[in-house]
This record gives sequence, C-alpha cells and structure tokens, in this order.
Amino acid sequence: DTGVSQNPRHKITKRGQNVTFRCDPISEHNRLYWYRQTLGQGPEFLTYFQNEAQLEKSRLLSDRFSAERPKGSFSTLEIQRTEQGDSAMYLCATDEDGSYNEQFFGPGTRLTVL
Amino acid sequence: QKEVEQDPGPLSVPEGAIVSLNCTYSNSAFQYFMWYRQYSRKGPELLMYTYSSGNKEDGRFTAQVDKSSKYISLFIRDSQPSDSATYLCAMTILSWGKLQFGAGTQVVVTP
Repeated sequence: DTGVSQNPRHKITKRGQNVTFRCDPISEHNRLYWYRQTLGQGPEFLTYFQNEAQLEKSRLLSDRFSAERPKGSFSTLEIQRTEQGDSAMYLCATDEDGSYNEQFFGPGTRLTVL
Repeated sequence: QKEVEQDPGPLSVPEGAIVSLNCTYSNSAFQYFMWYRQYSRKGPELLMYTYSSGNKEDGRFTAQVDKSSKYISLFIRDSQPSDSATYLCAMTILSWGKLQFGAGTQVVVTP
C-alpha cells in the first residue's frame, strides 16, 4: 500500500492521559499536514512540516499538543493531559513540491477521551 | 463567521439525478479550490481541483468557481448510490499549504 498510513486507527483513553499518533507519508512527499475533524465539521488545520521543519502551527494547537517529524519521513502528534474536548478524528495529509496542493489524506486516528 | 460556509445537508436525491453542491467564502485571497469526498469514518479523497475562476469537468463531475461572487459549486451528473458520502469544499491562498474546509454536505443517493 503506497498511500498515507496512520496508527493507531482508534484510541480510547482516560482524561489526563497522554496519547501519541503516528503518520507515515507517501514516500516522495516532503510536506506533511495534521488536521483535526470533529463530528459534523470539516477538517481544521493544526500544523504542517516541510521535510523535518515545522513551518506553521494553528492557534488550535495548545501547549498540550506537540508534533515532530524528526527525519523528514514519518511524523508523530502527541497530546498531553488529554481532555474530553480532544475527542476527534486526527487526520494526516501529505503532498509534494509542484503538486498544486493535491493533499492525500490518511484514514485518520479516532480519539475518544473518557 | 466562518471563512468558508457550506450547507451540511443532508441532501437526498434519487439515483440518476443531478447533485448540486456549493460553498461561499469570505477571503478574496483564496485562489485554489478543491472538492473532497469523504466516506463515513474514512479520510477525505480529492475529487476536483480548480485554480481561480472557471469551470472544470471530469467524467460525471463539474466544478465551477466564481471568484467575483466568492462562490464555488460541484455538480454530479447521473448520481449513483455509491456517490453517497460527505462532500467537502476546501480552498487555499497558495498552491500549497493549509486547506480551509467547509463543514461538508452529506449526500444520500437513493436507488
């Protein structure tokens, strides 16, 4: 499978716990984006990387959220001290230079905070 | 007010009908316009991509952009039950970077 992959697909956690999600991009794609989608809403931008550099972060990304892309390949998104409001689908998307913003999305990680 | 407005539906049509979807936006700097399709509990997949104003056709799908009115549309001809999904409009200022999405319109095509 050469598409964007995300793990885990589902995560249930208790409030206050830390969680980490992983995104593996399409191999030649140098840009990687994280979005969050709640029920009945479109995806909302969180942050993006060009290779290993994190170039933009949304105001939605509180101090409890941190994202990394250490070698410009896979990326991780960590949420510390989860809150019930963090329950959402977390989507990863990737594209490459010259692709005219044809972002390819992964299947998402569905987070439920109890 | 949101930057991109989209009626959430649901929009129910009989098989074979034309589905008409639209979005309005407030930021005149948007230049690139996309339509994504999202099945339940899946990631969005790109359907159509348009730069600036104009029309683009791909099979049963036609996308229209009217920048003067800040209005974009997607038409699906000869709709099929497999077209039942949520359709998301998205737009950006540059040819790359963060996408600004509408809320999505749920479409149900009944046999």
